[in-house]
Amino acid sequence: SQKIEQNSEALNIQEGKTATLTCNYTNYSPAYLQWYRQDPGRGPVFLLLIRENEKEKRKERLKVTFDTTLKQSLFHITASQPADSATYLCALEKSSSASKIIFGSGTRLSIRP
Amino acid sequence: DAGVIQSPRHEVTEMGQEVTLRCKPISGHNSLFWYRQTMMRGLELLIYFNNNVPIDDSGMPEDRFSAKMPNASFSTLKIQPSEPRDSAVYFCASSLQGAQGEKLFFGSGTQLSVL
Repeated sequence: SQKIEQNSEALNIQEGKTATLTCNYTNYSPAYLQWYRQDPGRGPVFLLLIRENEKEKRKERLKVTFDTTLKQSLFHITASQPADSATYLCALEKSSSASKIIFGSGTRLSIRP
Repeated sequence: DAGVIQSPRHEVTEMGQEVTLRCKPISGHNSLFWYRQTMMRGLELLIYFNNNVPIDDSGMPEDRFSAKMPNASFSTLKIQPSEPRDSAVYFCASSLQGAQGEKLFFGSGTQLSVL
């Protein structure tokens, strides 16, 4: 069955360091991979989308990589700040035509001052 | 735009009662998704609609759950009868389907507690 794994439930790092979160998937061939941020008591908020034919995408301090051979995406936050503390979810979409979007279980990131 | 609007924000009910959750998607969006989130199972896709038509309801846990989208601006998720194991946060999300991938916009969710 299709499975999405985010490698750690929680990640705790020092402010200023780079946070790296991992998303692995099996039995799936996504056309797109997305990353969302979720704060307590709120719905997820879209951050970045990367296509299957793209290796890397950047937005300000965020960087996402997508390796369809390894079936893995890495999500990096550089120069991390306490305000980056949240749960980060990866999501897979099969195609652009009215398709399912399924989520991983998320990684809770804590940035300590 | 007010974003995706869900109601109620919180719902507490007793086992066996009917529960109806409501969602108003962003105007102009043509895809609508219902998700359920728990600590144990994460964010699970229940059902999604495209142009008001249910496309995939394979995530609906059992016949007690039903969803409708009578028009482009309104959807409901109904649980009848409700059970304690249905307690979760239910999210509605909408998107504009296109070639660029579907970025989802989520509502604030409905926290459901079934006693």
